[in-house]
Amino acid sequence: AQTVTQSQPEMSVQEAETVTLSCTYDTSESDYYLFWYKQPPSRQMILVIRQEAYKQQNATENRFSVNFQKAAKSFSLKISDSQLGDAAMYFCAYRSGERNAGGTSYGKLTFGQGTILTVHP
Amino acid sequence: NAGVTQTPKFQVLKTGQSMTLQCAQDMNHNSMYWYRQDPGMGLRLIYYSASEGTTDKGEVPNGYNVSRLNKREFSLRLESAAPSQTSVYFCASRDRRSYEQYFGPGTRLTVT
Repeated sequence: AQTVTQSQPEMSVQEAETVTLSCTYDTSESDYYLFWYKQPPSRQMILVIRQEAYKQQNATENRFSVNFQKAAKSFSLKISDSQLGDAAMYFCAYRSGERNAGGTSYGKLTFGQGTILTVHP
Repeated sequence: NAGVTQTPKFQVLKTGQSMTLQCAQDMNHNSMYWYRQDPGMGLRLIYYSASEGTTDKGEVPNGYNVSRLNKREFSLRLESAAPSQTSVYFCASRDRRSYEQYFGPGTRLTVT
């Protein structure tokens, strides 16, 4: 079974600064996907960014980027120019590429424990 | 579009009581999921339904049952609630061609 570990229970950053959240995972698969989700106090789960394991290029979405190190099984999230609205719980998640007999992906997600990000004005 | 809806938003049960958490999606998604979120443990998969008519166990299925009533609805039932089932429950859905799972707003359940 796959495991996802976020070793930083809490992180803080000053507004406009950069912060990096860490995530490591364990898998024997070669086909998989990695995600970062944001959960603000409203509890809503919001997809921030995704990375396909077969792609060498790191994904970027505006101020959010990842450092994907496949051999090291590491998937960190960098938030640049941090804003007050970035304050939230952040979850790293793994999705297997496993498919059923019909070729449909099960799409199950395995989550890390979460990192609470505080942004100071 | 409402996306993924869950009812109720909050519930308090006594040990041994039963209840059903309802989930519905209006995006015509094939796959649906139930997760529970506990402090320090992230979200863990309880059950999932890859397509209408099928359900499978996830990581923590004990004490729960599910029903994929139709393509839109996927319910989670607690037959005899226990304090260990105090948690926030999330339903999610996904189109087979999509990377993204869409989550409902969650149900906070307390079992006393």
